[in-house]
Amino acid sequence: DAGVIQSPRHEVTEMGQEVTLRCKPISGHDYLFWYRQTMMRGLELLIYFNNNVPIDDSGMPEDRFSAKMPNASFSTLKIQPSEPRDSAVYFCASNRRPGVNTGELFFGEGSRLTVL
Amino acid sequence: QKEVEQNSGPLSVPEGAIASLNCTYSDRGSQSFFWYRQYSGKSPELIMSIYSNGDKEDGRFTAQLNKASQYVSLLIRDSQPSDSATYLCAVNDSNYQLIWGAGTKLIIKP
Repeated sequence: DAGVIQSPRHEVTEMGQEVTLRCKPISGHDYLFWYRQTMMRGLELLIYFNNNVPIDDSGMPEDRFSAKMPNASFSTLKIQPSEPRDSAVYFCASNRRPGVNTGELFFGEGSRLTVL
Repeated sequence: QKEVEQNSGPLSVPEGAIASLNCTYSDRGSQSFFWYRQYSGKSPELIMSIYSNGDKEDGRFTAQLNKASQYVSLLIRDSQPSDSATYLCAVNDSNYQLIWGAGTKLIIKP
C-alpha cells in the first residue's frame, strides 16, 4: 500500500512568493493532519480535517496560511505571502480511527521549505 | 497549558545495553500514549502505543505506563546503532487532542 504522499520534497523560494504544498493521504483514511516541525518549536499541529471538512485550524499561525481538502485523496497547504520564519519541514499525516486511537498517525516524508 | 515533557538529551547508550526514555504529561485525564521514532531528516514513525497501566512489549521495545504518576517510558533492550534517532512521546489528552513532547535524542555507541 502506498503511504502518505507529499510534494514537493524540497522548496526554496523568496520572501513574498506563494508556496503550495500538496498531500495525498492513505486511501480509506478519513482524518488528515498538517504539521510543521522546527528545531525551536518541535512538531506543531496546524490544521486537521475529518471527511474533507476542516475541524480545527487553531494552529494556523496567521491569515497567510490556508488549507483545503477538496476531496478524500488530496489536500493543499498554501502560504501567501511567504516569510523567512515560515522555513520549516511541513508534514502531512493521516489516520482512520478516531477516539483513543487518534494518535496512531501515518506521516508523509515531509516538505522542507526554505524561504530566503 | 497541557504539556508533555521529555529530556532533550542526547542520551548516549553503549551498544547492547538497555536504553530508557522517559516522558511525563500534565493532563491527568489523558487516554492514550504513543512513542514515535524519527531518524534525522525523516518523518516520525509510530513504534509503540499503550492505553492501560503496566507494560507492553513488542520485540526489543517495552512501553511502560503509570497513570498515577503521569509518566510513560520506553525501554529498548539490546540497543543497536540503528536505534540512534530522536524519540517523540505523544499523548492524547482528555479531549483526544494529541500533545507532543519535544523528543529525546538517543545515540547508541558501537
